[in-house]
Amino acid sequence: EIVMTQSPATLSVSPGERATLSCRASQSVSSNLAWYQQKPGQAPRLLIYGASTRATGIPARFSGSGSGTEFTLTISSLQSEDYAVYYCQQYIKWPGTFGQGTKVEIK
Amino acid sequence: QVQLVQSGAEVKTPGASVKVSCEASGYTFTTYGISWVRQAPGQGLEWMGWISAYNGNTNYAQKLQGRVTMTTDTSTSTAYMELRSLRSDDTAVYYCARVLNPATSSFGVPTRAYWLDPWGQGTLVTVSS
Repeated sequence: EIVMTQSPATLSVSPGERATLSCRASQSVSSNLAWYQQKPGQAPRLLIYGASTRATGIPARFSGSGSGTEFTLTISSLQSEDYAVYYCQQYIKWPGTFGQGTKVEIK
Repeated sequence: QVQLVQSGAEVKTPGASVKVSCEASGYTFTTYGISWVRQAPGQGLEWMGWISAYNGNTNYAQKLQGRVTMTTDTSTSTAYMELRSLRSDDTAVYYCARVLNPATSSFGVPTRAYWLDPWGQGTLVTVSS
């Protein structure tokens, strides 16, 4: 099984600042990586797939980068609605595995 | 728009079964699969299994083998997940999500996965005596 490790567990960021979230895979997943956002009491929402392709309707302030084993999700200027938990998921190998999540909180 | 709508919250006693439904709309149901993911209180996401709405092929997480069954009704574009012999640690929010159907090996095992989009709103299943 491919293990996905996200860091940090919690990220404290002020509104308007940049947030950088990391996701590491235990073996190469090429670009087969997705990012999801989950707000309290809501279902996860797809943000990014293919490591860097924004899903439909996702604002341009969200960007993904990386390939192989190291990936980054960047939120360029945090808005109030961006405070949430973010999960990465590899999908090169069945069944696809999730990281444990990074919580982005208000600083 | 593409949407998955799940059935309502359930409270079950240990040893009982629960069946959660997931009604799809806004796309051709049989051209995708449905994955089920659960989330225990305050925890992360746990993949439970997948069913192809095209041919009914399934693949379940090893830890749930023997207790979970996933089915579809193509006439109503609805997927179902039944979990039996419920335990307290099955208490979680259960999500369905649309997924592309993977190619499978000669043994019927999917060769890769895909991203999940969209997700249903979730169904809280509480197991308590």
